[in-house]
Amino acid sequence: EPEVTQTPSHQVTQMGQEVILRCVPISNHLYFYWYRQILGQKVEFLVSFYNNEISEKSEIFDDQFSVERPDGSNFTLKIRSTKLEDSAMYFCASSGTSGGTEQFFGPGTRLTVL
Amino acid sequence: KQEVTQIPAALSVPEGENLVLNCSFTDSAIYNLQWFRQDPGKGLTSLLLIQSSQREQTSGRLNASLDKSSGRSTLYIAASQPGDSATYLCAVRTTDSWGKLQFGAGTQVVVTP
Repeated sequence: EPEVTQTPSHQVTQMGQEVILRCVPISNHLYFYWYRQILGQKVEFLVSFYNNEISEKSEIFDDQFSVERPDGSNFTLKIRSTKLEDSAMYFCASSGTSGGTEQFFGPGTRLTVL
Repeated sequence: KQEVTQIPAALSVPEGENLVLNCSFTDSAIYNLQWFRQDPGKGLTSLLLIQSSQREQTSGRLNASLDKSSGRSTLYIAASQPGDSATYLCAVRTTDSWGKLQFGAGTQVVVTP
């Protein structure tokens, strides 16, 4: 069964460093998302992406964040200068269409900022 | 602003009992509602999606109902098993969003043998 994959599963970085989190969405899906979950808190929406453009973003998704679909299969989240408070589990998700279908989530990347 | 609440935060039941998990939301202008399962330290597994026009959705032992006007959804799990132990999350997509899901905090379920 098709699934969303994410790499790495765990990333440790120093404060101020740049990190890139990678995702391979389900192959025929058109809409891509990033969410995060700080330990013990709710899952929070970061950004949605369609047709090589951001279609929606949250207040969390400020200038230090960016997303890219560099080729036909990968979808990346870049954090330019990490802060301690960026430590969280980051989930990638994809769906066939924006509103009508289920979002399928990857296993997550645990980001630890020291 | 949409708020999604799940009560109780945790529950423990003996194996074989039916589980009833509640989700409430403040803004009834939703496009759909999705139920997920999350195991500790893992990703989210989609269980059921209910469109706003539907009242109910079933998959195996799982049944989810939606009452949009009262801002409520309920997930029923029949004949619970220890393998059902997990955190169950509900999430709504509002009509003014491009796919953004807003999540509740989840109900942590323990099914004891």
